[in-house]
Amino acid sequence: EIVLTQSPATLSLSPGERATLSCRASQSVSSYLAWYQQKPGQAPRLLIYDASNRATGIPARFSGSGSGTDFTLTISSLEPEDFAVYYCQQRSNWSPFTFGPGTKVDIK
Amino acid sequence: QITLKESGPTLVKPTQTLTLTCTFSGFSLSTSGVGVGWIRQPPGKALEWLALIYWNDDKRYSPSLKSRLTITKDTSKNQVVLTMTNMDPVDTATYYCAHSTTVTPPYNWFDPWGQGTLVTVSS
Repeated sequence: EIVLTQSPATLSLSPGERATLSCRASQSVSSYLAWYQQKPGQAPRLLIYDASNRATGIPARFSGSGSGTDFTLTISSLEPEDFAVYYCQQRSNWSPFTFGPGTKVDIK
Repeated sequence: QITLKESGPTLVKPTQTLTLTCTFSGFSLSTSGVGVGWIRQPPGKALEWLALIYWNDDKRYSPSLKSRLTITKDTSKNQVVLTMTNMDPVDTATYYCAHSTTVTPPYNWFDPWGQGTLVTVSS
């Protein structure tokens, strides 16, 4: 099973700042990685799929990059509604789906 | 517009079997490439994938829970049912169902999700 590690666990930033979140896989997942946003009391929402493609309706301030084992989600300028928990997920062909432990982006 | 909604008991006793139903609209599980998955989240913890069923009745399970899970579909009712046997307090979680497709973007990812249903396991 592929294990995903996310860092940092918590990121404390102010609105308008840039957020950089990391997700590392225990073995290569090619580009088969997605990012989800989850706000308190809500279901996760798909933000980025296949490492760098924004899902429908996702603002351009969200971007994803990486391949193989190292991936990054960048929020170029934090809006108040972006403070949430972010999870990465992989769907490698030879492993069950797995999620990372999450990164909480909170207000500094 | 695709929507999904989970339903089932909010409280089950240890050793009982949990049966959850995902009722969806905006797509059909008889359409080639379509799938519905189940994911759970214990309170304050991370997400865990459980199972996935495709339009052609192909089924995938989490290896760690495979012996306890069964996923089925009722295409005529637009429903997917997940059963989990031998429930334990550690299975207390919010259970989500989600749509997936292999033929259009976002390929093979969970989008969208239902609102989730909290299941508590306690005697």
